[in-house]
Amino acid sequence: NAGVTQTPKFRVLKTGQSMTLLCAQDMNHEYMYWYRQDPGMGLRLIHYSVGEGTTAKGEVPDGYNVSRLKKQNFLLGLESAAPSQTSVYFCASSYSRLEGKTDTQYFGPGTRLTVL
Amino acid sequence: AQKVTQAQTEISVVEKEDVTLDCVYETRDTTYYLFWYKQPPSGELVFLIRRNSFDEQNEISGRYSWNFQKSTSSFNFTITASQVVDSAVYFCALSDWGAQKLVFGQGTRLTINP
Repeated sequence: NAGVTQTPKFRVLKTGQSMTLLCAQDMNHEYMYWYRQDPGMGLRLIHYSVGEGTTAKGEVPDGYNVSRLKKQNFLLGLESAAPSQTSVYFCASSYSRLEGKTDTQYFGPGTRLTVL
Repeated sequence: AQKVTQAQTEISVVEKEDVTLDCVYETRDTTYYLFWYKQPPSGELVFLIRRNSFDEQNEISGRYSWNFQKSTSSFNFTITASQVVDSAVYFCALSDWGAQKLVFGQGTRLTINP
């Protein structure tokens, strides 16, 4: 059971480039989330999904898009990266319908993104 | 809107001292969850505890204990007989009952000196 995994672990982009971060979970969780962590600010929710094929905006969605085509995967896209998007990105998942409602979010190891 | 405040940005103590991390939250919801997560220097987020708004019982897990008081909207975390391995950033977080979106505090960086 790998839990929540994120790909890649590190990435450096130039301003204007695009990229996709991949999050995968093998816990059969219904809900998935993308957060960003900036120094001194804790984690802030970017987008989330409460099921396959559904997505919703969080607190800081601008400049990001997401897709949840498969239950186990949640993709975060940056269409035109900006230096303000330099951050550590965390994916999380929660709530297994089969095992009963679990309300704890389990996090992936994070992706450190630098935009030059 | 929901908000979590961790007023202590950094705390430094000597090993074996007891230390309390404060967490104050704001929400208009009557049902919600409160969490503590630990982020060691390696960077991952480790779940420590979840408490729902109906359960005000304090909890103890080894050297860790949590004090939840709805009257003061606080969910404080105490480490007894601290150890160097407890050095980390600790986050308090609040979620709604529905989509369970987490709102995090700014975090408290705890340093335990030998």
